[in-house]
Amino acid sequence: DAKTTQPTSMDCAEGRAANLPCNHSTISGNEYVYWYRQIHSQGPQYIIHGLKNNETNEMASLIITEDRKSSTLILPHATLRDTAVYYCIAPEDTGRRALTFGSGTRLQVQP
Amino acid sequence: DSGVTQTPKHLITATGQRVTLRCSPRSGDLSVYWYQQSLDQGLQFLIQYYNGEERAKGNILERFSAQQFPDLHSELNLSSLELGDSALYFCASSAYSGANVLTFGAGSRLTVL
Repeated sequence: DAKTTQPTSMDCAEGRAANLPCNHSTISGNEYVYWYRQIHSQGPQYIIHGLKNNETNEMASLIITEDRKSSTLILPHATLRDTAVYYCIAPEDTGRRALTFGSGTRLQVQP
Repeated sequence: DSGVTQTPKHLITATGQRVTLRCSPRSGDLSVYWYQQSLDQGLQFLIQYYNGEERAKGNILERFSAQQFPDLHSELNLSSLELGDSALYFCASSAYSGANVLTFGAGSRLTVL
């Protein structure tokens, strides 16, 4: 898997946008970037993934830089329920390895 | 409800004992993955099955074993339990092997005393 680097923790005010960065400078051309989150002691939850174009779904937006060396997950209007650990993953496109989770970013949404 | 069912939710047992954790994948999913999450280790991949066959193995101890049955449910067997085996055990499922969009269950919390 391409190595990803994320800040250990971030704070965000409720109702504001939460922008979670991820560096993946060694990513190869056919490796997607995936984002998951884990609310305290619950199972991880898939959020979104992308290759080179920006992506948006009902949960979040994913902005990938043109050189694909970094990306940002955007939660447009963070709520207290968005407090969680967010994982950025860039798995190898071999189809033969299971997803590997790093340390992620602990996002604390403040009231 | 993610559609992935894990039982039991909580389990307390003693060192040296054996336990079995069960996972029913989401309807239509053929692949099952097991992960372990202890306080100081983060999420560690243990093993993956696809349609009854083992497909990938991670950091699974020899004391642990798993299988996937014809009805696609999976069981993770943990034996000769040690204090360090206390952890959350998550099962995830996907439609095909090697998928990167996984659906996780709520987990089984194992406490070894």
